[in-house]
Amino acid sequence: QQQVKQSPQSLIVQKGGIPIINCAYENTAFDYFPWYQQFPGKGPALLIAIRPDVSEKKEGRFTISFNKSAKQFSLHIMDSQPGDSATYFCAASNNNDMRFGAGTRLTVKP
Amino acid sequence: EAGVVQSPRYKIIEKKQPVAFWCNPISGHNTLYWYLQNLGQGPELLIRYENEEAVDDSQLPKDRFSAERLKGVDSTLKIQPAELGDSAVYLCASSSGLTDTQYFGPGTRLTVL
Repeated sequence: QQQVKQSPQSLIVQKGGIPIINCAYENTAFDYFPWYQQFPGKGPALLIAIRPDVSEKKEGRFTISFNKSAKQFSLHIMDSQPGDSATYFCAASNNNDMRFGAGTRLTVKP
Repeated sequence: EAGVVQSPRYKIIEKKQPVAFWCNPISGHNTLYWYLQNLGQGPELLIRYENEEAVDDSQLPKDRFSAERLKGVDSTLKIQPAELGDSAVYLCASSSGLTDTQYFGPGTRLTVL
């Protein structure tokens, strides 16, 4: 059973655009929601994370929006750059039990 | 601070052969994870250790996979015998237990021919 559903599967934007990646979860016990960025041949690296007591968190050009009642959260990348081209994974965790979405391959065209 | 170290980075074997992967977590991290990542998919947990104890191995195919974390530091994941469907990237991650953040190694890409 897929506990974290991520969309879209792939996304292409122009430089400066604002890609948005969405995730939905089912288990209300999840209390930590990170986003990971993965480049080819590398392991996932933590980008930004949020807990359900806040509705939004911003770090640099990356923003997480969180809707607890809808059990959804999303990643926005402001002023996207070609260097942001990577695969992004959302995840949801409770007590070190982390479940990942299937990933979104983002391409930012120059 | 050194990150999570994994070796080898790549491994090509024939089916039915054994293979082993090694992971050294970030110093001081008590929790260690092994994940399987198929192409185009997110990581899937195989086993989680708290110190030297395996606290979640429900997704580990125990007929052919085994893991150990002696002394609660580095860990080895073994497959014997390997099957064609085992071709994937095997990721190791660690966390301190003080936060939920997991830090990943670069992974071992296994190809079974």
